[in-house]
Order: sequence, then structure tokens, then C-alpha cells
Amino acid sequence: DTGVSQNPRHKITKRGQNVTFRCDPISEHNRLYWYRQTLGQGPEFLTYFQNEAQLEKSRLLSDRFSAERPKGSFSTLEIQRTEQGDSAMYLCASSFGPASGGANEQFFGPGTRLTVL
Amino acid sequence: RKEVEQDPGPFNVPEGATVAFNCTYSNSASQSFFWYRQDCRKEPKLLMSVYSSGNEDGRFTAQLNRASQYISLLIRDSKLSDSATYLCVVLKINQAGTALIFGKGTTLSVSS
Repeated sequence: DTGVSQNPRHKITKRGQNVTFRCDPISEHNRLYWYRQTLGQGPEFLTYFQNEAQLEKSRLLSDRFSAERPKGSFSTLEIQRTEQGDSAMYLCASSFGPASGGANEQFFGPGTRLTVL
Repeated sequence: RKEVEQDPGPFNVPEGATVAFNCTYSNSASQSFFWYRQDCRKEPKLLMSVYSSGNEDGRFTAQLNRASQYISLLIRDSKLSDSATYLCVVLKINQAGTALIFGKGTTLSVSS
């Protein structure tokens, strides 16, 4: 399967614990995005990487959230001291785009569903 | 005002019906627009891009009205398999890069 993959698919944790999610984008894609989706809402942008550089972070991404893409391939999203309001589907997407800008189709992974008890 | 607004529905239609979804966006500088489809508990998938001249893909027609900042999706001859949530999406481009701005989605249920 050459699509975007995410692990784990489901995560249940207790409030206050730290969690980390992984995203493996399509191999030739240089851009990687994280979104969050809650029930009845569309996905909301969290952050964006071009290669290993994190170029943009949404105001939704509080200090408890951190994302990395150390080698410009896979990415991790960590949430520290989880809160019940963090319960959501965390979606990763990837695309290929030129450094100068422009945009191509974003392909989404299946998501990681987080439940904070 | 939300950046992208859609009527959440649900739209309940019989097979064979024609159904139209509307969407408005707030940023007049937006340049690129899309409709994504999301099945229950699945990831969003691109349905079609929306061009100023309008575009058609089989039973699906997308239109853009820049003056009114309005996007539409028309589905003709609805099939049971069209049941899903349809997300109106605007591409935001700034110096940092790009991000998709999604509406809440419009739920369609097609029944036999």
C-alpha cells in the first residue's frame, strides 16, 4: 500500500498522560500536514511541514502539542498532559509541491482516533 | 464569521434525485476550491476541484461564483453509494505555505 499511513489507528488514554502519533506520508511527497477533526466538524488545520521544516502552526496547536519531521519523511505529533478536549480524530495528509509555492492534491491517511478519559 | 460555511443537512433524497449543496467562503483572495467526500469513519478524499468556468465529472458538477464567494456541487441521478459527507474546501496560501480550510460538511443520505 503506497498511501499515507498512520499509527496507531486508535488510542485511549487517561487525562494527563502523554501520547504520540506517527504519520508516514507517500514517499515522494515533500509536504506533510496535520489536521484535527471532531464529531460534526470538518478537519481543522494544525501544522504543516515542507521537508523537515515546520513552516506553519495553527493557533489551535497549544504548547502541549509538538510535531516533528526530523528527516523529512515520517512525522510525529505528541500531545503532553492530555485533556478530555483533545479527544478527536487526528488526520495526516501529504502532497508534493514546489518550494516556490503552489499546491497539489493532499492525500489523507486513515487517522488516529484519540479518546481521553 | 467562519472561513467556510456549509449547510450541514442532512439531505435525505431517493435514488435518482438531483441534489445541490452550497458553500460560502469569507476570504475574497482565495484562489483554489475543492469538494472532498468523507465516508463515515473514513478519511476525506478529493472529489473534484472547482474552477471559475465550472467543471463536470460524470454526474457531478461544481461551480464557483467569485463575486458572491459561493461554491456549489450538483449531483444528478443520485446513487446509494453517494451517501456520504461532502466537504467544501478552500485552499489558503500564505508565505509559510498552504493549508486546506474545510467547511463542516453536508451530509447526504440516498435511499432506495
